[in-house]
This record gives sequence, C-alpha cells and structure tokens, in this order.
Amino acid sequence: QKEVEQNSGPLSVPEGAIASLNCTYSDRVSQSFFWYRQYSGKSPELIMSIYSNGDKEDGRFTAQLNKASQYVSLLIRDSQPSDSATYLCAVNKGGTGGFKTIFGAGTRLFVKA
Amino acid sequence: DVKVTQSSRYLVKRTGEKVFLECVQDMDHENMFWYRQDPGLGLRLIYFSYDVKMKEKGDIPEGYSVSREKKERFSLILESASTNQTSMYLCASTGTANTEAFFGQGTRLTVV
Repeated sequence: QKEVEQNSGPLSVPEGAIASLNCTYSDRVSQSFFWYRQYSGKSPELIMSIYSNGDKEDGRFTAQLNKASQYVSLLIRDSQPSDSATYLCAVNKGGTGGFKTIFGAGTRLFVKA
Repeated sequence: DVKVTQSSRYLVKRTGEKVFLECVQDMDHENMFWYRQDPGLGLRLIYFSYDVKMKEKGDIPEGYSVSREKKERFSLILESASTNQTSMYLCASTGTANTEAFFGQGTRLTVV
C-alpha cells in the first residue's frame, strides 16, 4: 500500500464548476498535510496546508482533513482554465531524527473553457 | 525572495559515470530532500537530511548516496549511473514539519 494515494485522473471539469480532489494516507502519525500545484515543466508550488480536522478556506480553495478516516481533500470553486495542472497531496511524518515529506502520484486536472 | 537552486537544468551522462547533482538553499533551512519524478509515479523520496552530516534513506535510495557538509548545500550522487536513473530530479528544503517545501527548478538527467 502506498503511503499517500490519489486518483491519477485525469479529472475534467467545465469552467466555473467545482473540482474535487481526494487523497488518503496510511500512517496515522502523519502530522501535517499539504496540497501543491504543478504546471507542466515547472516545480510544485504550495496551495494549501492543513494540520487539524475540519475545513480550511483560502479564496477559491478549501482543504478538508479527516484524521479518523485518514483522508484529505481539496475543493476548487469556480474552476478556471488556469487551474489546469497536476495537484499533489503531500504528508509530513516524523522520522528517526527529523521528518520526511511524502507525495502522492498526483491528480491531473483539466478545466475546459 | 526564497531560493533553492539546482546546479544544472539538463544533464546527459553515460552509463557507469559518477554523477553529482548539487542543490543550494538560501533560507537557512534545516531540512532538505531529494526526489525523482517520473510520469505516473509522482515524486518519490530518495534521501533527506535534517541537519549537517545527518541523512536518512527515503523510499528509493538504491543506487544513490548523498552528502551534506554545509547547511545550505545538499548533494545527490549517482555512484554508477544507469539508464533506469534517467528522470527529473527535484531538490526541496523546508524549515519545520509544519511549513511548506520550496523546490528547485529541477534537473532533467538523461543517462545514455
């Protein structure tokens, strides 16, 4: 079982719709959770971070965390063509001396104009 | 402006060569990471370091080693490059477990 799992997609939504991206993680000791966006040929960049159960909103983006279900999601409201990218779920978990950041394989999102 | 810089954007090496990928960050971050990214597989962790001279294996360390002699610099070494190490390599750094990772621009390595 992969430590962080995402549907690879592609997920296709029309412009203005809500895009829903999901992620599950296997290790209950995971402590912090992130969503990154990666455009083709570019490096990942942070969209949202979330550390406690519930919802966190930032503009058109809402991250949701449910630690009991080991589930993280990202909602994108009013999707725009510029949101077309690969979305990576990431989880930080403690190691022997520090911590490591584990990424899912990513979900490709296409927003059709 | 925060910065993570990788020494090369594109690199072509021959099978069996020893390859060094360098990464430098200017944010005084304790934690640095090396990933490789392949289509359909996402970012896979090779090695990470939480302090100078401290390193831990990630999920796919075989065929790689790392060096961290100074806080700002984290090097990835391919002891004897093989064609299955052809990939995009990404370096990242972060300050704490609750802060975002900043990425370098990536190195596209081709082993022929």
